Amino acid sequence: GEDVEQSLFLSVREGDSSVINCTYTDSSSTYLYWYKQEPGAGLQLLTYIFSNMDMKQDQRLTVLLNKKDKHLSLRIADTQTGDSAIYFCAEIPNDYKLSFGAGTTVTVRA
Amino acid sequence: DTGVSQDPRHKITKRGQNVTFRCDPISEHNRLYWYRQTLGQGPEFLTYFQNEAQLEKSRLLSDRFSAERPKGSFSTLEIQRTEQGDSAMYLCASSSFPPGGDTEAFFGQGTRLTVV
Repeated sequence: GEDVEQSLFLSVREGDSSVINCTYTDSSSTYLYWYKQEPGAGLQLLTYIFSNMDMKQDQRLTVLLNKKDKHLSLRIADTQTGDSAIYFCAEIPNDYKLSFGAGTTVTVRA
Repeated sequence: DTGVSQDPRHKITKRGQNVTFRCDPISEHNRLYWYRQTLGQGPEFLTYFQNEAQLEKSRLLSDRFSAERPKGSFSTLEIQRTEQGDSAMYLCASSSFPPGGDTEAFFGQGTRLTVV
């Protein structure tokens, strides 16, 4: 994950919004993804954004993309305890090989 | 099609033994990827196939690792002479290429390898 960087930890109160940030390096990336991983489980695709978009909203999830700064964020509205997990940002450059960040561990406290 | 499946889910082996993992991708997907994930890290790319052709291998894949996808469907990942440093979660994913409306890579649940 050396090409994709994320903050490692985020603690948020239940009901608040969570914002997870990510920076990537490959400007040829056409798709950028957010995956969720719960303990002991594989990766679940949450959402993705095409590189010509600035924003994508999907229910409680909002993805913002700043292509100039190569910055991607995921906002989770009304964070619930079930949102506690590790969230991975991933990019797909032109060779279509997913490259991941180290993951952000989100802890939701009551 | 129930998605990407991996077998076994867990494997404990003694150092020096050989292990083999299997991945069954989503049937219409022509690309299959193997990743390795250690604790506290994101998945690291190991290798991928397009149909039966192995297109790229990471530097992480030493000579003890070999992967096959003989008929362009399921794939196996073999580790020979396992070492404690091989302990990790091995993830398989599949996708379509070239991408159409569906560009996602879908992941299996992973095989957790513990070398003792």
